[in-house]
Amino acid sequence: DNQMTQSPSSVSASVGDRVTITCRASQHISTGLAWYQQKPGKAPKLLMHSASTLMSGVPSRFSGSGSGTDFTLTISSLQPEDFATYSCQQAGSFPRTFGQGTKLEI
Amino acid sequence: QVQLQEAGPGLVKPSETLSLTCTVSGDSVNSRSYYWSWIRQPPGKGLEWIGYMYDSGSSNYNPSLQSRVTMSLDTSANRFSLKLNSVTAADTAVYYCAASPAFYYFDYWGQGALVTVSS
Repeated sequence: DNQMTQSPSSVSASVGDRVTITCRASQHISTGLAWYQQKPGKAPKLLMHSASTLMSGVPSRFSGSGSGTDFTLTISSLQPEDFATYSCQQAGSFPRTFGQGTKLEI
Repeated sequence: QVQLQEAGPGLVKPSETLSLTCTVSGDSVNSRSYYWSWIRQPPGKGLEWIGYMYDSGSSNYNPSLQSRVTMSLDTSANRFSLKLNSVTAADTAVYYCAASPAFYYFDYWGQGALVTVSS
């Protein structure tokens, strides 16, 4: 399986901060990567796919980059509603696999 | 827009079979518009894709679970189901159903169903 490793596993930040989360794939996946946001007790929400394509309605403060094996999710100016857990998922190989998640805390 | 709703027992005994259904609204399960997946998340852990159904004749499972998983479509009730046999405590998780227009990313999710394996 294509193992997805996120770092950090948790990060503390304040409203207005810029935060970057990284995701590394054990095998090359081109730009086949998605990011999900998950709040406690809720299902994941697809934020972005193809490494950098935002889903409709997702604020522009979210951005993604990377290709191959190394990817980043950046939130340019944290808002209160952004505090959540973020997970990456690869779509370049079978079976689809997810990172372990990064908890973004106040 | 597709909406998904899981249903099933919240408690299953070890060695028995976990059974869940996912009722779909907003599209037909046999329309070939979506891949219908099951994904699970053990408490405090990451997400794990279990398998998908595309239509009544097409399914694919995670090799790590393939020997214990069966998925099916019920077109009359517009739902799809998951059966996982010989469960252990390691199968305790929130189980989500999800829909993908193509089998790349998971666009739509159900709210999730917590299943605990315990005697």
